[in-house]
Amino acid sequence: QVHLQESGPGLLKPSQTLSLTCSVSGASISSGGYYWNWVRQLPGKGLEWIGYIYYTGNTYYNPSLKSRVIVSEDTSKSQFSLKLSSVTAADTAIYYCARAAADYGNAIDVWGRGTTVTVSS
Amino acid sequence: DIQMTQSPSSLSASVGDRVTITCRASQSISSSLNWYQQKPGEAPTLLIFAASRLHIGVPSRFSGSGFGTDFTLTIKSLQAEDFGTYYCQQNYGPWTFGHGTKVEVK
Repeated sequence: QVHLQESGPGLLKPSQTLSLTCSVSGASISSGGYYWNWVRQLPGKGLEWIGYIYYTGNTYYNPSLKSRVIVSEDTSKSQFSLKLSSVTAADTAIYYCARAAADYGNAIDVWGRGTTVTVSS
Repeated sequence: DIQMTQSPSSLSASVGDRVTITCRASQSISSSLNWYQQKPGEAPTLLIFAASRLHIGVPSRFSGSGFGTDFTLTIKSLQAEDFGTYYCQQNYGPWTFGHGTKVEVK
């Protein structure tokens, strides 16, 4: 069974860089056919896709966040990571790591439980 | 960006009712449309992918249809455990989600 677990600081100050890591078990992030994603949910709001990394190292980002986002991977640790720079209160959200599968039309079939990040001075 | 408009934003229905949620894309997205259910305090779960294909383990009372810009999620006979918020998502262009439909079971 595939399991994803987010980790990282829960509290940041404005202008800092958000850094989160997703640890993957039960699947290889080096395997083709899967896209490793970050999705966030603003308080009481809907879902916003941030970006993904493919096993080739190719990345694809939400245009509205692209200038501030880097998604990277560490295959030796079976982890992928999110960096979001210059955060503001508007970046306060639950951050999910998630897997999308080509077998399912690139839909997200596995989600982490999410981690809450608060940006406050 | 491709905008996804869901309707209604919320609904209340009784057990056994047929429930329909619609999702409209701001441009054609072929069949690149997925549906998720999210319960309070939990991550979303996949229900339907590629507009009409039922994900593994999802009850057959759920179905999806549509192509191009107009899509529908139908719950044939609503059950008590179907409460939650339903989201559509397109993965034709940069991925975007609808704003969600909150379903309450009376």
